[in-house]
Amino acid sequence: KQEVTQIPAALSVPEGENLVLNCSFTDSAIYNLQWFRQDPGKGLTSLLLIQSSQREQTSGRLNASLDKSSGRSTLYIAASQPGDSATYLCAVYVGNAGNMLTFGGGTRLMVKP
Amino acid sequence: EPEVTQTPSHQVTQMGQEVILRCVPISNHLYFYWYRQILGQKVEFLVSFYNNEISEKSEIFDDQFSVERPDGSNFTLKIRSTKLEDSAMYFCASRTGGNTEAFFGQGTRLTVV
Repeated sequence: KQEVTQIPAALSVPEGENLVLNCSFTDSAIYNLQWFRQDPGKGLTSLLLIQSSQREQTSGRLNASLDKSSGRSTLYIAASQPGDSATYLCAVYVGNAGNMLTFGGGTRLMVKP
Repeated sequence: EPEVTQTPSHQVTQMGQEVILRCVPISNHLYFYWYRQILGQKVEFLVSFYNNEISEKSEIFDDQFSVERPDGSNFTLKIRSTKLEDSAMYFCASRTGGNTEAFFGQGTRLTVV
C-alpha cells in the first residue's frame, strides 16, 4: 500500500528565505504527483502537477521536482512571503490508471514578516 | 476562472440521519471524486466516478455511501445513516482526463451530533 510522508511537519521561517519542502512515497510505481496548498479550514488549491515522465515543473516562485526511482519530490519556494503561510500537501496518483490520490500529512508553513 | 463548487459549506446532522452533499464540478471535466479529511488527519480518497459509474472506491466507501450524477452538472454524495465518525470535511474534485491535474472544491464540513 502506498504511503506518502512529508517532512518537516511544520516549518517557521523569516520572510525572504528560500525553502524546500520534502515529500517521499514508498512505491515508485506512481502515475503523476501533485502539490496543493491548504489554508486553515479551506479547500485544496492546486499548485503544480508533475507528470511521471517529467523531472520538474515550475510556476512563478515555485519549483517542484520528482525522482520516481528514489520515491521523492521536493517543492522549492523562492523568496518566501507571509502570504505563503499555509499547509502544503503532496499527493501521488495511484490505483486503476492513476485514478486516485494518496496524500501526505502536509507541511504547515509559517512565514514571519 | 472555473472552479468546483460545493454546498452547503457546513452541515450539522443528527446521528442516523441521511445527508446529501452537493458538488458542481468544472463543466468540461469528465472525472469526479469525493475525498474526506477528518480533523487533524490526512485527506483520504472515497470514490471516483466516470462515464456515469463508479470507477474506483476505497474501503471507507461502504454500503452507507452512494454517489450520483443526477443531471449534467451536479455530483452528489449521500450518506444514508450518519455516524459520529462520519464527521469530517468532505471535498469534491474533478479533472478533464486521466493525466491532468485535479481541482478541488472548498469542502463541506459535516458535523454529526
